[in-house]
Amino acid sequence: AQRVTQPEKLLSVFKGAPVELKCNYSYSGSPELFWYVQYSRQRLQLLLRHISRESIKGFTADLNKGETSFHLKKPFAQEEDSAMYYCALRGEGNYQLIWGAGTKLIIKP
Amino acid sequence: NAGVTQTPKFQVLKTGQSMTLQCAQDMNHNSMYWYRQDPGMGLRLIYYSASEGTTDKGEVPNGYNVSRLNKREFSLRLESAAPSQTSVYFCASSETTLSGHHNEQFFGPGTRLTVL
Repeated sequence: AQRVTQPEKLLSVFKGAPVELKCNYSYSGSPELFWYVQYSRQRLQLLLRHISRESIKGFTADLNKGETSFHLKKPFAQEEDSAMYYCALRGEGNYQLIWGAGTKLIIKP
Repeated sequence: NAGVTQTPKFQVLKTGQSMTLQCAQDMNHNSMYWYRQDPGMGLRLIYYSASEGTTDKGEVPNGYNVSRLNKREFSLRLESAAPSQTSVYFCASSETTLSGHHNEQFFGPGTRLTVL
């Protein structure tokens, strides 16, 4: 079965510290992986997708097929990074996104 | 360019009442989606529409009906609301390429529904 697990409901780090939001998935095949973010009082929006291999707002995420993980990382957290982060998976040829439960990231000043 | 709009923002219903959640997008997207989000859980797909006049059941379709009468609008109807349908409902849309690939989903602001 397809499943996305975000093991941390809440992650709190100090400004300037590194951040790693974990995402593990279960899928037999080649999935597409995404990170979506929801800032306070804003809409859910795409942060990055693994196929684009971009760094967005200083965040990067590498798909590790061996460990079935897609962790989101940022070397130096900023206060404006505080938000809910969701990892999502889409199977090959599928339209449906399978979502993790989300991690609330709090950046302390 | 409003993107994806949803109405209403908040709604309280009594068990057994009916209501329709409205969603519209102005990005000329083919694909539209209805999700529900419950505490401690990820978004779950209720229904999907690939184009005007077509709909597919998602993960949790029971108790809901949808209607895609035109490209812009995709409505979600609760015929007889139940407390288990208390949730936050999100509508989303995305462009589908000619090859069938689904691009980024754009989300509405959500509707917070409480069924008493």
